[in-house]
Amino acid sequence: QPQLQESGPRLVKPSETLSLTCTVSGGSVSSSRYSWGWIRQPPGKGLEWIGSIYYSGSTNYTPSLKSQVTMSIDMSKNQFSLRLSSVTAADTAVYYCARQGHYYDSSGFVKWFDPWGQGTLVTVSS
Amino acid sequence: QSVLTQPPSASGTPGQRVTISCSGSRSNIGSDYVYWYQQLPGTAPKLLMYRSNQRPSGVPDRFSGSKSGTSASLAISGLRSEDEAEYYCAAWDDSLTSWVFGGGTKLTVL
Repeated sequence: QPQLQESGPRLVKPSETLSLTCTVSGGSVSSSRYSWGWIRQPPGKGLEWIGSIYYSGSTNYTPSLKSQVTMSIDMSKNQFSLRLSSVTAADTAVYYCARQGHYYDSSGFVKWFDPWGQGTLVTVSS
Repeated sequence: QSVLTQPPSASGTPGQRVTISCSGSRSNIGSDYVYWYQQLPGTAPKLLMYRSNQRPSGVPDRFSGSKSGTSASLAISGLRSEDEAEYYCAAWDDSLTSWVFGGGTKLTVL
């Protein structure tokens, strides 16, 4: 199993851009077998998928955040990144990066998030 | 308000069998597999069940999953103290074109 580690500023001011990077070790972000995702969890609340990126650079974002989100992948550094613009206090959360495995079977598209990074708490406050 | 509905809490004594439900709609559970994640206190979520009823390597067979129509459930038999955690169900929603999660069920082992 690869290990994933989030990094980036822990404190972001309102209206500014949140930027996080996920470094993958023991696996390659250039593998065609996987996508790479970001999921967040506000303090004391549940999980929210932000989006996923494939090695080719194609992305898939949750509609509610689509206008704010940009994901990118850097194969030379074996990293993928998240940028969330115009943040507010509602964007305060633990941000997790995760590998998304997938395959097709006779009944459909099987996909899952595993493993996950340990998560990083990002606070939006002035 | 989560798209998938889970009971906020569940409990059981050691050795008991506990079931956690997850209710959705035709656009998510009704048309996709269900996934379950276990989040131990202070840690990241971990994949517990995929393809509705498949256990990843290393997950004990005390855990089982099922799906019927627009609902799914996770059963834990032979409950142990280390099973005390938050459990989340998830599915892809074709209408929202997004992963959706349940609000989580906090399992307490009494």
